[in-house]
Amino acid sequence: AQTVTQSQPEMSVQEAETVTLSCTYDTSESDYYLFWYKQPPSRQMILVIRQEAYKQQNATENRFSVNFQKAAKSFSLKISDSQLGDAAMYFCAYRRPINTGTASKLTFGTGTRLQVTL
Amino acid sequence: NAGVTQTPKFQVLKTGQSMTLQCAQDMNHEYMSWYRQDPGMGLRLIHYSVGAGITDQGEVPNGYNVSRSTTEDFPLRLLSAAPSQTSVYFCASSRDATYGYTFGSGTRLTVV
Repeated sequence: AQTVTQSQPEMSVQEAETVTLSCTYDTSESDYYLFWYKQPPSRQMILVIRQEAYKQQNATENRFSVNFQKAAKSFSLKISDSQLGDAAMYFCAYRRPINTGTASKLTFGTGTRLQVTL
Repeated sequence: NAGVTQTPKFQVLKTGQSMTLQCAQDMNHEYMSWYRQDPGMGLRLIHYSVGAGITDQGEVPNGYNVSRSTTEDFPLRLLSAAPSQTSVYFCASSRDATYGYTFGSGTRLTVV
């Protein structure tokens, strides 16, 4: 079974600085998708970024980028120029692109709470 | 677009009561899922569906039932509420197995 591990329960960053959130996963598959979700205090789950495992190029979305190391099974999220609105829980998630059964489920890590300070 | 709509947003139940959490999506997504979120445990899959008439169990299905009679709706039924079901429940939908899920705003359920 696939597992996703986020080893940093909490992180803190100063406004305008850069922070990196870590995520590792365990899988025997070669084709899969990885995601970072943001959950602000409103509790809404917001998709931040998506990475396709067969693409070597790291995904970027504005101030958010990932460092995807397939061999190491590592998928970290870098937030540049941190803003107060970035304060949230961040979840890493894994999904296999199989169109049947629980193989297509989204498996989540336990989350990292990010604080942004002035 | 409304996206994924969940109702109610908050609910308090007494032990033994039953209720249905409603979920509807207007994106014509085939995949729908119910997750529960508990502190320190991330989100765990309760039930999922890959299309109308097709449902299956996730990691923590006990005490919950689902049905999928239409593409749009995927209600979650609590059969006999227990304090262990106190949680935040999320419904989510996905276009296919290569995309992330779009989540509803969640239901905070307290069982006393």
